[in-house]
Amino acid sequence: DTAVSQTPKYLVTQMGNDKSIKCEQNLGHDTMYWYKQDSKKFLKIMFSYNNKELIINETVPNRFSPKSPDKAHLNLHINSLELGDSAVYFCATTLRGGNTGELFFGEGSRLTVL
Amino acid sequence: SQQGEEDPQALSIQEGENATMNCSYKTSINNLQWYRQNSGRGLVHLILIRSNEREKHSGRLRVTLDTSKKSSSLLITASRAADTASYFCATVLQGAQKLVFGQGTRLTINP
Repeated sequence: DTAVSQTPKYLVTQMGNDKSIKCEQNLGHDTMYWYKQDSKKFLKIMFSYNNKELIINETVPNRFSPKSPDKAHLNLHINSLELGDSAVYFCATTLRGGNTGELFFGEGSRLTVL
Repeated sequence: SQQGEEDPQALSIQEGENATMNCSYKTSINNLQWYRQNSGRGLVHLILIRSNEREKHSGRLRVTLDTSKKSSSLLITASRAADTASYFCATVLQGAQKLVFGQGTRLTINP
């Protein structure tokens, strides 16, 4: 069983479309994150949820809307996609809210906006 | 803003040699972590060193932390082809609830 699974792994879409990426974890962790990795490999945190509650919201355009239906799931919906949204999006989890311990990452979802 | 910066950005060595990567950061931290990312894959946690620790070992990995210089190093001994990957340091800032990553060192081990 994959601990942190993301779908889809690859997503190619046109500018202006709306798309979603889903993340599920079976580790029983409290906190989930979305990170964005750009073409230069720079990883930037976007959002963090602890027990379905949003606790970190970095300066991300409001076209990006995370949603956590339950503790095991964190989805990312992106409206009106732009070329600059092309990146690899990683879901990650950690054991406790506010925890500073290790993160467990999914395999990433590569988004290409044409 | 970016907290950790790795040095060098890229490193290419022969199998069997040791690889050393460095990480510098700007503000006080709770802990510093190192991660590995194989091409096309997610990041995998390697080791965590707390701000009151100076050195930590895990198998062929050795991590040091110098809080006075705000720097850390990751040493991989007796490198193998399978060690080819990007290595990232990440810091947890004091009072923050997030892990901030550097841009990574791309390590290539030549057979």
